[in-house]
Amino acid sequence: QKEVEQNSGPLSVPEGAIASLNCTYSDRGSQSFFWYRQYSGKSPELIMFIYSNGDKEDGRFTAQLNKASQYVSLLIRDSQPSDSATYLCAVNRGPGTYKYIFGTGTRLKVLA
Amino acid sequence: EAGVVQSPRYKIIEKKQPVAFWCNPISGHNTLYWYLQNLGQGPELLIRYENEEAVDDSQLPKDRFSAERLKGVDSTLKIQPAELGDSAVYLCASSSSGTAEQYFGPGTRLTVT
Repeated sequence: QKEVEQNSGPLSVPEGAIASLNCTYSDRGSQSFFWYRQYSGKSPELIMFIYSNGDKEDGRFTAQLNKASQYVSLLIRDSQPSDSATYLCAVNRGPGTYKYIFGTGTRLKVLA
Repeated sequence: EAGVVQSPRYKIIEKKQPVAFWCNPISGHNTLYWYLQNLGQGPELLIRYENEEAVDDSQLPKDRFSAERLKGVDSTLKIQPAELGDSAVYLCASSSSGTAEQYFGPGTRLTVT
């Protein structure tokens, strides 16, 4: 089992729809969870982080964390073509560590 | 606020040649990371610095890779000699001490021929 798993996609959604991206992780001691957006040929850009169970909202983005089920998700409301990118999930390895394991990313395509 | 700066942005070398990458983190960020990213994969940690101390270099292939952060600010990652399999994007990231949010530089795309 990979430490951080994401569906590689592509996930295609129409413009204006909600895009739902999921990530599962294997280390129950993980405490920090991040979502990065990476456009083709560019470096990862931090868009959301969450540390506590539940939802965290920032503009059109909502991160959801369920530690009991070991998954974290990212919802993008009112998806725009400019949201088309690869979304990387990152999780710290073990409690209190700053070693982060990245998933392979989910490619999102928002269709105009 | 300036972001993480990396140079060069692109580098093409022949195998067995040495290569070096430079990174200047966001001002005030004491923690610096070097990652390697292959196409279609997520970044993989090579080394993490807290100020000038390498606190996690377990993933650094020490037979050919070396890194330094002498004054606790900018950092250099070196490969000698380079192999074909080293072709990848080398990313530098930084964060404030005690925080987990990392910010990436633009990366250096290395091609080894």
